Amino acid sequence: DTVLTQSPALAVSPGERVTISCKASESVSTRMHWYQQKPGQQPKLLIYKASNLASGVPARFSGSGSGTDFTLTIDPVEADDTATYFCQQSWNGRTFGGGTKLELK
Amino acid sequence: QVTLKESGPGILQPSQTLSLTCTFSGFSLSTYGMGVGWIRQPSGKGLEWLANIWWDDDKYYNPSLKNRLTISKDTSNNQAFLKITNVDTADTATYYCARIGVPGWFAYWGQGTLVTVSS
Repeated sequence: DTVLTQSPALAVSPGERVTISCKASESVSTRMHWYQQKPGQQPKLLIYKASNLASGVPARFSGSGSGTDFTLTIDPVEADDTATYFCQQSWNGRTFGGGTKLELK
Repeated sequence: QVTLKESGPGILQPSQTLSLTCTFSGFSLSTYGMGVGWIRQPSGKGLEWLANIWWDDDKYYNPSLKNRLTISKDTSNNQAFLKITNVDTADTATYYCARIGVPGWFAYWGQGTLVTVSS
């Protein structure tokens, strides 16, 4: 299985730039996708194939990376971005990262 | 507009078989490249992919659960199904179905259905 590792939590102030990382245990090419999950809600697709913005997602969100190292960037962060962010790979089966909980200061 | 909705038993006992239904609209599982996946999430924890089924009836399972899972579909009624045999308390989770395309991301998700395994 391809294991995806994310930092458990981050805290930032509104207006700042935040980067959330996801590291794969082996190369997944650019088959990395990002989701946002707010409490009590289902996950929502933000970024597909590493850097493509999903429909309706604000341009404040962006993604980058290839191989084993990927980043989700939010710039600037808004209060509504408080959520848990998950990465998911589709190069070798399907696996999710453990999630990064983003809190606003 | 793509929508998906999961339904399940709510609560069941250890060793029973869990049967889940995903009823969807806005796409067809007979269309080339379309698929439905099942994902679960224990309360307060991360997401675990379970299985996918594709327009051509190809099926893929999480290797760690493969011998307990069966995914199927009813194209004419826009439904997908998942069965998990021999459940125990570790299977307690919210179960989601989601539309998936060939490149592999889950573009649309249902609201989830909570399943509790308890004696």
